[in-house]
Amino acid sequence: DSGVTQTPKHLITATGQRVTLRCSPRSGDLSVYWYQQSLDQGLQFLIQYYNGEERAKGNILERFSAQQFPDLHSELNLSSLELGDSALYFCASSLRGSGRKGDTGELFFGEGSRLTVL
Amino acid sequence: AQSVSQHNHHVILSEAASLELGCNYSYGGTVNLFWYVQYPGQHLQLLLKYFSGDPLVKGIKGFEAEFIKSKFSFNLRKPSVQWSDTAEYFCAVNAGYGGATNKLIFGTGTLLAVQP
Repeated sequence: DSGVTQTPKHLITATGQRVTLRCSPRSGDLSVYWYQQSLDQGLQFLIQYYNGEERAKGNILERFSAQQFPDLHSELNLSSLELGDSALYFCASSLRGSGRKGDTGELFFGEGSRLTVL
Repeated sequence: AQSVSQHNHHVILSEAASLELGCNYSYGGTVNLFWYVQYPGQHLQLLLKYFSGDPLVKGIKGFEAEFIKSKFSFNLRKPSVQWSDTAEYFCAVNAGYGGATNKLIFGTGTLLAVQP
């Protein structure tokens, strides 16, 4: 158990719909990262938040958005869903930026949310 | 931009065979390097990591990796694989250590199947 919690574990929806994926980081971690894993694209970095603010952006579509709340949990919103959005969405967390010693830069991953768009 | 290449996409071995998975990265500065493993149906778990010091890094479950700076490589090895090592293995690089982000850039993964 990595300490990162993601919900829901599985989600089936139709094209054109909107879904929200939720992530609770490890206790004490300030940074949250979202990754998309698909068969054809592999593991793609989407976006990172640190203490509520966007810190880095990757290959995230304009139809997708994310935010990190004051309690540090994060949500990834996917809208106008297309068949190609079907994938496993991972959340990860890390200490980085907390100023604490011993932050090794390691990311701790949740179990993922499997999204199927029909 | 940083990138990671894993040359072996699919590897099939028999139990007790030796394993070496290749990983090359492109970045000229200081890097931190990782190998993660994803067992079927599970999340990514850290196998080992390199930050500095001894370029030969030992991880969990008998895995090790060697950082060769001149070759921009971080190959994963295990002397004798077991059926339970069947999984997908990802090499990752963090080229932003100490900076604003420590996002990891992952390779495309190597699917290892160990036959009993």
